[in-house]
Amino acid sequence: KNQVEQSPQSLIILEGKNCTLQCNYTVSPFSNLRWYKQDTGRGPVSLTIMTFSENTKSNRRYTATLDADTKQSSLHITASQLSDSASYICVVTMSGNTPLVFGKGTRLSVIA
Amino acid sequence: DAGVIQSPRHEVTEMGQEVTLRCKPISGHNSLFWYRQTMMRGLELLIYFNNNVPIDDSGMPEDRFSAKMPNASFSTLKIQPSEPRDSAVYFCASSLGTRGSYEQYFGPGTRLTVT
Repeated sequence: KNQVEQSPQSLIILEGKNCTLQCNYTVSPFSNLRWYKQDTGRGPVSLTIMTFSENTKSNRRYTATLDADTKQSSLHITASQLSDSASYICVVTMSGNTPLVFGKGTRLSVIA
Repeated sequence: DAGVIQSPRHEVTEMGQEVTLRCKPISGHNSLFWYRQTMMRGLELLIYFNNNVPIDDSGMPEDRFSAKMPNASFSTLKIQPSEPRDSAVYFCASSLGTRGSYEQYFGPGTRLTVT
Protein backbone atom coordinates (compact mmCIF):
# COMPACT_ATOMS: atom_id res chain seq x y z
CA LYS A 1 0.00 0.00 0.00
CA ASN A 2 1.30 3.46 -0.91
CA GLN A 3 1.88 5.36 2.32
CA VAL A 4 3.78 8.36 3.66
CA GLU A 5 4.66 8.42 7.35
CA GLN A 6 5.95 11.55 9.07
CA SER A 7 7.60 12.01 12.43
CA PRO A 8 7.35 13.50 14.89
CA GLN A 9 3.64 14.37 14.89
CA SER A 10 4.40 17.59 16.71
CA LEU A 11 7.48 19.47 17.83
CA ILE A 12 8.16 22.50 20.01
CA ILE A 13 11.50 24.31 19.74
CA LEU A 14 13.00 27.57 20.91
CA GLU A 15 13.52 30.39 18.45
CA GLY A 16 16.96 30.21 16.88
CA LYS A 17 17.33 26.45 17.28
CA ASN A 18 17.56 23.94 14.45
CA CYS A 19 15.22 21.01 13.87
CA THR A 20 14.78 18.07 11.53
CA LEU A 21 11.51 16.57 10.35
CA GLN A 22 11.35 13.03 8.96
CA CYS A 23 9.38 11.43 6.16
CA ASN A 24 9.34 7.72 5.23
CA TYR A 25 7.43 6.47 2.23
CA THR A 26 6.46 3.23 0.56
CA VAL A 27 5.18 4.81 -2.65
CA SER A 28 6.10 3.05 -5.88
CA PRO A 29 6.90 3.79 -8.64
CA PHE A 30 8.43 6.98 -7.24
CA SER A 31 8.48 10.19 -9.25
CA ASN A 32 9.19 13.04 -6.87
CA LEU A 33 8.79 14.23 -3.30
CA ARG A 34 7.66 17.64 -2.10
CA TRP A 35 7.64 19.34 1.24
CA TYR A 36 4.73 21.71 1.82
CA LYS A 37 4.37 24.32 4.55
CA GLN A 38 0.87 25.01 5.82
CA ASP A 39 0.31 28.03 8.03
CA THR A 40 -2.73 27.96 10.32
CA GLY A 41 -5.87 28.84 8.40
CA ARG A 42 -4.20 28.68 5.01
CA GLY A 43 -3.61 26.19 2.22
CA PRO A 44 -0.32 24.31 1.83
CA VAL A 45 2.50 25.99 -0.08
CA SER A 46 5.30 24.06 -1.76
CA LEU A 47 8.76 24.57 -0.23
CA THR A 48 10.82 22.24 -2.36
CA ILE A 49 10.56 19.38 -4.83
CA MET A 50 13.06 16.53 -5.14
CA THR A 51 13.39 14.01 -7.91
CA PHE A 52 14.92 10.55 -7.76
CA SER A 53 18.43 11.74 -8.63
CA GLU A 54 18.58 14.61 -6.13
CA ASN A 55 20.03 14.06 -2.66
CA THR A 56 19.92 17.54 -1.20
CA LYS A 57 18.13 20.76 -2.03
CA SER A 58 18.12 24.01 -0.10
CA ASN A 59 15.65 26.88 -0.02
CA ARG A 60 16.85 29.65 2.28
CA ARG A 61 16.88 28.16 5.80
CA TYR A 62 15.21 24.94 4.65
CA THR A 63 17.29 21.97 3.49
CA ALA A 64 15.61 18.83 2.21
CA THR A 65 17.36 15.52 1.76
CA LEU A 66 16.27 12.41 -0.08
CA ASP A 67 17.55 8.85 0.12
CA ALA A 68 15.73 6.95 -2.61
CA ASP A 69 17.30 3.65 -1.56
CA THR A 70 15.91 3.74 1.97
CA LYS A 71 12.85 5.76 0.89
CA GLN A 72 13.45 8.45 3.45
CA SER A 73 13.44 12.23 3.31
CA SER A 74 14.14 14.89 5.88
CA LEU A 75 13.53 18.61 6.15
CA HIS A 76 16.07 20.53 8.21
CA ILE A 77 15.23 24.03 9.41
CA THR A 78 18.16 26.19 10.46
CA ALA A 79 17.98 29.05 12.92
CA SER A 80 14.25 28.74 13.38
CA GLN A 81 12.02 31.81 13.47
CA LEU A 82 8.59 32.33 14.98
CA SER A 83 7.19 32.44 11.45
CA ASP A 84 8.32 28.85 10.91
CA SER A 85 5.48 27.73 13.17
CA ALA A 86 3.28 25.69 10.83
CA SER A 87 2.49 22.18 9.69
CA TYR A 88 4.99 20.61 7.32
CA ILE A 89 3.56 18.02 4.97
CA CYS A 90 5.55 15.48 2.97
CA VAL A 91 3.94 14.56 -0.36
CA VAL A 92 5.11 11.82 -2.71
CA THR A 93 4.16 11.48 -6.36
CA MET A 94 4.06 8.29 -8.36
CA SER A 95 4.95 8.15 -12.02
CA GLY A 96 2.20 8.98 -14.47
CA ASN A 97 -1.07 10.75 -13.96
CA THR A 98 -1.75 9.49 -10.48
CA PRO A 99 -2.85 11.26 -7.33
CA LEU A 100 -0.38 12.52 -4.77
CA VAL A 101 0.18 10.57 -1.55
CA PHE A 102 0.16 12.86 1.48
CA GLY A 103 1.67 12.42 4.91
CA LYS A 104 -0.34 13.68 7.88
CA GLY A 105 2.21 16.36 8.62
CA THR A 106 4.39 17.51 11.51
CA ARG A 107 3.07 20.39 13.56
CA LEU A 108 6.03 22.68 14.44
CA SER A 109 5.76 25.35 17.10
CA VAL A 110 8.62 27.82 17.49
CA ILE A 111 8.49 29.71 20.78
CA ALA A 112 10.40 32.75 22.01
CA ASP B 1 -2.10 36.91 -9.80
CA ALA B 2 -5.02 36.30 -7.42
CA GLY B 3 -4.26 32.65 -6.78
CA VAL B 4 -6.93 30.03 -6.20
CA ILE B 5 -10.10 31.59 -4.79
CA GLN B 6 -12.52 29.67 -2.60
CA SER B 7 -15.83 30.68 -1.11
CA PRO B 8 -17.18 30.78 1.46
CA ARG B 9 -14.21 30.75 3.86
CA HIS B 10 -16.40 29.47 6.67
CA GLU B 11 -19.70 27.62 6.56
CA VAL B 12 -21.81 26.50 9.49
CA THR B 13 -24.90 24.48 8.69
CA GLU B 14 -27.28 22.06 10.29
CA MET B 15 -27.33 18.37 9.58
CA GLY B 16 -29.44 17.56 6.56
CA GLN B 17 -28.87 20.85 4.78
CA GLU B 18 -27.28 21.20 1.37
CA VAL B 19 -23.83 22.78 1.25
CA THR B 20 -22.12 24.16 -1.87
CA LEU B 21 -18.45 25.07 -1.90
CA ARG B 22 -17.01 27.13 -4.74
CA CYS B 23 -13.60 27.38 -6.36
CA LYS B 24 -12.01 29.57 -9.00
CA PRO B 25 -8.68 28.12 -10.21
CA ILE B 26 -5.68 30.11 -11.35
CA SER B 27 -6.17 31.36 -14.89
CA GLY B 28 -4.42 29.10 -17.40
CA HIS B 29 -4.38 26.05 -15.16
CA ASN B 30 -6.16 23.08 -16.72
CA SER B 31 -6.31 20.76 -13.71
CA LEU B 32 -8.37 21.20 -10.56
CA PHE B 33 -8.38 19.15 -7.39
CA TRP B 34 -10.73 19.00 -4.39
CA TYR B 35 -9.29 17.88 -1.04
CA ARG B 36 -10.65 17.39 2.46
CA GLN B 37 -8.44 17.87 5.53
CA THR B 38 -9.09 16.60 9.04
CA MET B 39 -6.82 16.17 12.03
CA MET B 40 -7.30 12.42 12.00
CA ARG B 41 -6.80 11.71 8.31
CA GLY B 42 -4.80 14.66 7.02
CA LEU B 43 -5.32 15.72 3.40
CA GLU B 44 -7.44 13.41 1.26
CA LEU B 45 -8.05 13.79 -2.45
CA LEU B 46 -11.76 13.73 -3.24
CA ILE B 47 -11.86 14.29 -7.00
CA TYR B 48 -9.84 15.92 -9.75
CA PHE B 49 -10.61 17.37 -13.16
CA ASN B 50 -8.52 17.84 -16.27
CA ASN B 51 -9.79 20.26 -18.91
CA ASN B 52 -13.12 20.41 -17.04
CA VAL B 53 -13.59 16.63 -17.23
CA PRO B 54 -13.68 14.55 -14.02
CA ILE B 55 -10.79 12.11 -14.15
CA ASP B 56 -10.92 10.31 -10.82
CA ASP B 57 -13.67 10.57 -8.23
CA SER B 58 -12.74 7.47 -6.25
CA GLY B 59 -12.01 9.62 -3.21
CA MET B 60 -15.54 10.96 -2.98
CA PRO B 61 -16.79 9.40 0.25
CA GLU B 62 -20.45 8.85 -0.61
CA ASP B 63 -23.19 9.65 -3.08
CA ARG B 64 -23.98 12.65 -0.93
CA PHE B 65 -20.91 14.32 -2.43
CA SER B 66 -20.88 15.63 -5.99
CA ALA B 67 -18.58 17.97 -7.92
CA LYS B 68 -18.92 19.85 -11.17
CA MET B 69 -16.71 21.98 -13.34
CA PRO B 70 -18.92 23.70 -15.91
CA ASN B 71 -16.05 25.78 -17.31
CA ALA B 72 -12.34 26.37 -16.91
CA SER B 73 -12.77 29.08 -14.29
CA PHE B 74 -15.30 27.58 -11.88
CA SER B 75 -15.95 24.43 -9.90
CA THR B 76 -18.36 23.42 -7.15
CA LEU B 77 -18.37 20.72 -4.51
CA LYS B 78 -21.82 19.94 -3.16
CA ILE B 79 -22.82 17.90 -0.12
CA GLN B 80 -26.47 16.91 0.11
CA PRO B 81 -27.56 16.08 2.76
CA SER B 82 -24.74 17.18 5.05
CA GLU B 83 -23.80 15.23 8.18
CA PRO B 84 -21.69 16.16 11.25
CA ARG B 85 -18.89 13.84 10.09
CA ASP B 86 -18.49 16.02 7.00
CA SER B 87 -17.05 18.76 9.21
CA ALA B 88 -13.57 19.48 7.86
CA VAL B 89 -11.57 22.00 5.87
CA TYR B 90 -12.10 21.61 2.14
CA PHE B 91 -9.32 22.78 -0.18
CA CYS B 92 -9.34 23.40 -3.88
CA ALA B 93 -6.05 23.31 -5.79
CA SER B 94 -5.13 23.92 -9.42
CA SER B 95 -2.12 23.12 -11.59
CA LEU B 96 -0.88 23.19 -15.16
CA GLY B 97 -1.43 19.45 -15.48
CA THR B 98 -2.22 16.27 -13.62
CA ARG B 99 1.29 14.82 -13.61
CA GLY B 100 3.09 14.98 -10.29
CA SER B 101 5.83 17.17 -11.73
CA TYR B 102 3.36 20.06 -11.85
CA GLU B 103 3.06 22.00 -8.62
CA GLN B 104 -0.42 22.26 -7.17
CA TYR B 105 -1.44 25.67 -5.87
CA PHE B 106 -3.90 25.51 -3.01
CA GLY B 107 -6.68 27.92 -2.13
CA PRO B 108 -7.24 29.17 1.43
CA GLY B 109 -9.84 26.49 2.13
CA THR B 110 -13.43 26.43 3.35
CA ARG B 111 -13.94 25.44 6.97
CA LEU B 112 -17.21 23.50 7.12
CA THR B 113 -18.99 22.83 10.40
CA VAL B 114 -22.10 20.67 10.38
CA THR B 115 -24.05 20.69 13.64
